[in-house]
Amino acid sequence: GESVGLHLPTLSVQEGDNSIINCAYSNSASDYFIWYKQESGKGPQFIIDIRSNMDKRQGQRVTVLLNKTVKHLSLQIAATQPGDSAVYFCAENKYGSTLGRLYFGRGTQLTVWP
Amino acid sequence: GAGVSQSPRYKVAKRGQDVALRCDPISGHVSLFWYQQALGQGPEFLTYFQNEAQLDKSGLPSDRFFAERPEGSVSTLKIQRTQQEDSAVYLCASSQAITNEQFFGPGTRLTVL
Repeated sequence: GESVGLHLPTLSVQEGDNSIINCAYSNSASDYFIWYKQESGKGPQFIIDIRSNMDKRQGQRVTVLLNKTVKHLSLQIAATQPGDSAVYFCAENKYGSTLGRLYFGRGTQLTVWP
Repeated sequence: GAGVSQSPRYKVAKRGQDVALRCDPISGHVSLFWYQQALGQGPEFLTYFQNEAQLDKSGLPSDRFFAERPEGSVSTLKIQRTQQEDSAVYLCASSQAITNEQFFGPGTRLTVL
């Protein structure tokens, strides 16, 4: 069935290191992906998105990679900071399907140690 | 500028009570979404409005759940005869259009005893 899921539920890194958070999806027709950051007690916050006609997109300290061959998505955070500690979700939005609804994975808890 | 706001932030209800959760989207945003987030899980879609029209309610888990947006701005999610399994965070999101970024509110944490 259609699903967006994560490989690892938790990730701990040292401050200053790079972080990589992974996500797998099963629907080859998916064409738009978004990464969200959710801090405790807050709603998800948009980080970066990528469309299926791209394989890489960079933002400020973040890079998203899309591998359509293996249906894999990753979020790379450079020079991770304590403020990056949060749960990270990948979400899928399929154009042409139900009007913009997002399908979320379970999430990865990122903890950054000083 | 003001983001999406939700009220109340926390709600405790006894099983069987009715609750109403409010969402104030960003001014001018056409699209409004409700999601349910269980503890330790990602948000799951409940329903979608374009202006005042509810165009998709396929995610509502039962007929005890009802949502409205009568004037195309503020939306209310109502849950009748609450059950323990309704305990979750209810998130509202709005966007300028279907294909634009969705901005989320802080959510309402509902606990049903």
